[in-house]
Amino acid sequence: AQRVTQPEKLLSVFKGAPVELKCNYSYSGSPELFWYVQYSRQRLQLLLRHISRESIKGFTADLNKGETSFHLKKPFAQEEDSAMYYCALGNNFNKFYFGSGTKLNVKP
Amino acid sequence: GAGVSQSPSNKVTEKGKDVELRCDPISGHTALYWYRQSLGQGLEFLIYFQGNSAPDKSGLPSDRFSAERTGGSVSTLTIQRTQQEDSAVYLCASSLNSGGARDTQYFGPGTRLTVL
Repeated sequence: AQRVTQPEKLLSVFKGAPVELKCNYSYSGSPELFWYVQYSRQRLQLLLRHISRESIKGFTADLNKGETSFHLKKPFAQEEDSAMYYCALGNNFNKFYFGSGTKLNVKP
Repeated sequence: GAGVSQSPSNKVTEKGKDVELRCDPISGHTALYWYRQSLGQGLEFLIYFQGNSAPDKSGLPSDRFSAERTGGSVSTLTIQRTQQEDSAVYLCASSLNSGGARDTQYFGPGTRLTVL
């Protein structure tokens, strides 16, 4: 079965601290992994995807096939990073599976 | 340009009534998705439309749920005989679908459905 797991419902860090949002997946094929973000009172939007290998707003995520993980990292968190983050997997049949989300709270 | 729009933004209904939720995708996007977001849960895939192909309905939770997409554009999600467990935010997303699951999905603001 295809599944995306985000073990932390809430993550609180102080401004300037490193942050890592965990995401593990199960999929027998070659997945496409994404991170979506929802800021307060805004709609869900793409943050980054593994195929692009890009850094967006200082965030990076590396696909680790051995550990089936796609953790989201940022070395120095900012208050404006506070949001709900969803890890998502896209399969070969255009179906998406989202994790339950992690709420990131960056304290001043 | 205009993003994905959904209407109504909020819907309160009584148990047993039927409801219709509407989604207007971004012009030119051939793929359209419906998701359900329940409190404390992730996004649950409901249905996927791609162009004029038969939709993937495998995520619909029961036969009370149905969706259609007219003219390859506007989509309507219908829930018949609503139940309290149908209360959730229903999200619509569209993508260009030039590369299937590799495409970025653009989400609408959602419709918050409350079944009393």
